[in-house]
Amino acid sequence: IQLTQSPSLLSASVGDRVTLSCKGSQNINNYLAWYQQKLGEAPKLLIYNTNSLQTGIPSRFSGSGSGTDYTLTISSLQPEDVATYFCYQYNNGWTFGGGTKLELK
Amino acid sequence: EVQLQQSGPEVGRPGSSVKISCKASGYTFTDYVMNWVKQSPGQGLEWIGWIDPEYGSTDYAEKFKKKATLTADTSSSTAYIQLSSLTSEDTATYFCARGSSSYIDYWGQGVMVTVSS
Repeated sequence: IQLTQSPSLLSASVGDRVTLSCKGSQNINNYLAWYQQKLGEAPKLLIYNTNSLQTGIPSRFSGSGSGTDYTLTISSLQPEDVATYFCYQYNNGWTFGGGTKLELK
Repeated sequence: EVQLQQSGPEVGRPGSSVKISCKASGYTFTDYVMNWVKQSPGQGLEWIGWIDPEYGSTDYAEKFKKKATLTADTSSSTAYIQLSSLTSEDTATYFCARGSSSYIDYWGQGVMVTVSS
């Protein structure tokens, strides 16, 4: 399964509601996770099984979707959210999306 | 606290092999699979494969079947990846990452492998 993330680069302001997209080449059956990777660091799990928030992750992060289309939403962007975000499917094999780089406007 | 402590940076000559370690702590090593993920400079993430430390069973992405060998030592709670026949394409950061019900939940800090003559 191939994963396509859009946009590849997103500029937003503090306080904005931000939506990142991840589209699969086949049905993912909700077996989708989202990771945040800050510069020079390892990725961190944010969301698993489409919409389950990992322990310790702020509630401004949420996930949704079904079938082939999935979304990560940040309800109110904070400066510490500047990072690259990757989606990851584990329904059929294991693959990552190409990433969305989120920067402050 | 779950921790995955990886070994230090490696430099390998073209055609040689390198072996990276990942020592797990804070959980029962044999209860989870260990994934390995490649990140080329400035690029995205590629899943290499996983090993089930309890049984030694493995699964690899097709692209890495002849490149990577995954092993695990349950006595020391350490997973390993060996990369063979190194080329410039193998220059990257390699992460170990614990697998929980198929998704990855914890990551090591990453190891930079540089292939250079």
